[in-house]
Amino acid sequence: ETGVTQSPTHLIKTRGQQVTLRCSSQSGHNTVSWYQQALGQGPQFIFQYYREEENGRGNFPPRFSGLQFPNYSSELNVNALELDDSALYLCASSFVSDTQYFGPGTRLTVL
Amino acid sequence: AQRVTQPEKLLSVFKGAPVELKCNYSYSGSPELFWYVQYSRQRLQLLLRHISRESIKGFTADLNKGETSFHLKKPFAQEEDSAMYYCALSVSGGYQKVTFGTGTKLQVIP
Repeated sequence: ETGVTQSPTHLIKTRGQQVTLRCSSQSGHNTVSWYQQALGQGPQFIFQYYREEENGRGNFPPRFSGLQFPNYSSELNVNALELDDSALYLCASSFVSDTQYFGPGTRLTVL
Repeated sequence: AQRVTQPEKLLSVFKGAPVELKCNYSYSGSPELFWYVQYSRQRLQLLLRHISRESIKGFTADLNKGETSFHLKKPFAQEEDSAMYYCALSVSGGYQKVTFGTGTKLQVIP
């Protein structure tokens, strides 16, 4: 059984740029959730994808968007990057609303 | 809106001493409560969930709906318990939204 993987591990961007983060879900899982974890904080829910559609969203602006593919992998896209977007981005996969399994995260630094 | 509060950023205990990590939540309905743990250089992983009533690695947590608390306890701390612990609340309403606390770092002193 393969666990949740994320790429890239680290990323440095400048303000105003766009970024795409990727997540491969665990085998047998059909739901992917994305979280933002700022330094010293707990993860904050961004959105969740189920059957290739966004089915829930936290308090994040529209410039945070995503995709889920037929193989249940997912992308998180952030447009017009701001300094405050610097954080660890976590992906978690699950089978519907069962236990979520987390990936190692992508560390994004915005300069 | 749901909220999870972990009042302690850092908790230091001696090896063999009892541990209690505090967690309080606010939500008007019936949430599902979890404890997640993150060991050094490892990913976030589920420690336990209240519906399973399991004891994992000697840790237990009881949901107290009257006090809206879900404190994590262990009678005798081990050095390998040193880690970051997050309390989390899940609400299902078409999708599963998990709200995390800010975390408590547990440091077990040998």
